[in-house]
Amino acid sequence: AQKVTQAQTEISVVEKEDVTLDCVYETRDTTYYLFWYKQPPSGELVFLIRRNSFDEQNEISGRYSWNFQKSTSSFNFTITASQVVDSAVYFCALVDSNYQLIWGAGTKLIIKP
Amino acid sequence: GAGVSQTPSNKVTEKGKYVELRCDPISGHTALYWYRQSLGQGPEFLIYFQGTGAADDSGLPNDRFFAVRPEGSVSTLKIQRTERGDSAVYLCASSQSGRDADTQYFGPGTRLTVL
Repeated sequence: AQKVTQAQTEISVVEKEDVTLDCVYETRDTTYYLFWYKQPPSGELVFLIRRNSFDEQNEISGRYSWNFQKSTSSFNFTITASQVVDSAVYFCALVDSNYQLIWGAGTKLIIKP
Repeated sequence: GAGVSQTPSNKVTEKGKYVELRCDPISGHTALYWYRQSLGQGPEFLIYFQGTGAADDSGLPNDRFFAVRPEGSVSTLKIQRTERGDSAVYLCASSQSGRDADTQYFGPGTRLTVL
């Protein structure tokens, strides 16, 4: 069965600190896709990244970076030099042989000024 | 439009009433999805359309919920005899083809409150 676990319910850091959001997934498939979405207080889910299971290269986009480790079934997300605007709920999600997104419970990130 | 749009943004109704929620996907996207999200939780899948047909409606909670997409673009989620437990944010997403785990792009949602 597919499952996504985001063990951190809430994280609070002071602005400019680096922060890592953990995501661990379970799937029996060898082909699957992993996603991160951001949901700011406005409520709209914003797509951040899509990664397929055959591409284990880490990804960097500005202050955001993602570390995909198949050996530990993890797809962690790091924000460098956090800003108040990064405050949101972040969801990790998985799609394997189905088209349905299997969502983690989300991590609420609070960046204090 | 550039993104997925949903109307209304907020809907307050009384228990037992009928409501319709509308979703306008990104132009050219053949796949459309409905989810609902309760406070503090991730989205819950309801139904997936490929073109005009519902490819999977296994997430619809009961027969009070129904969705259509008659021309393969705009979709309407219909809820009959609303109950207080239906209160949630209803999210719509679209993707280009629905295959190969296409990225789903979400609309702003409709917040439904059943009194």
